[in-house]
Amino acid sequence: EAGVTQFPSHSVIEKGQTVTLRCDPISGHDNLYWYRRVMGKEIKFLLHFVKESKQDESGMPNNRFLAERTGGTYSTLKVQPAELEDSGVYFCASRADSSYEQYFGPGTRLTVT
Amino acid sequence: LAKITQPISMDSYEGQEVNITCSHNNIATNDYITWYQQFPSQGPRFIIQGYKTKVTNEVASLFIPADRKSSTLSLPRVSLSDTAVYYCLVVPKAAGNKLTFGGGTRVLVKP
Repeated sequence: EAGVTQFPSHSVIEKGQTVTLRCDPISGHDNLYWYRRVMGKEIKFLLHFVKESKQDESGMPNNRFLAERTGGTYSTLKVQPAELEDSGVYFCASRADSSYEQYFGPGTRLTVT
Repeated sequence: LAKITQPISMDSYEGQEVNITCSHNNIATNDYITWYQQFPSQGPRFIIQGYKTKVTNEVASLFIPADRKSSTLSLPRVSLSDTAVYYCLVVPKAAGNKLTFGGGTRVLVKP
């Protein structure tokens, strides 16, 4: 069974540019989560999708961040415009309804210069 | 949210048992206790979850006393590859399984 995949693995952009991160969850997992770890801090929850609907987006830092999950399969997280403090590692995780276990992807390391 | 306290770091040697105790004094009735493991440059990986008493799987055991104010993750006979950060999390059942990570415990297994 393929795990959670994220693309790209690493992105370097300049302040003010736009970046789109992609997450492909495990097939059949209705729940999809985004988390991030900014430099020196703890991993923080961003939002939770159930299928294509946003169940909880309480962790989204501001309106420069837009997450989508059209069709309830893969998800994208767009940062526009990127700021220096957005640098960090962005993790995606998916979970089946029948389990509490979240399967994490390897993360996307975003560097904003 | 329950406040989590766990050791910042622990050292051990190959073949030893490692026990990491986590304090969560204000855990709520419907909260579960979950542990994740994270290696460098990887996402966290689920280890074990429990509500009370003892849970064991092929990787670890989780001991939870009756008052549930603490829990202990036990890793039997660790190897060098068990060097990682171990996170204790308290997960509200009704909150969509949203995970709130703390600083974790950095375990270093020495030869």
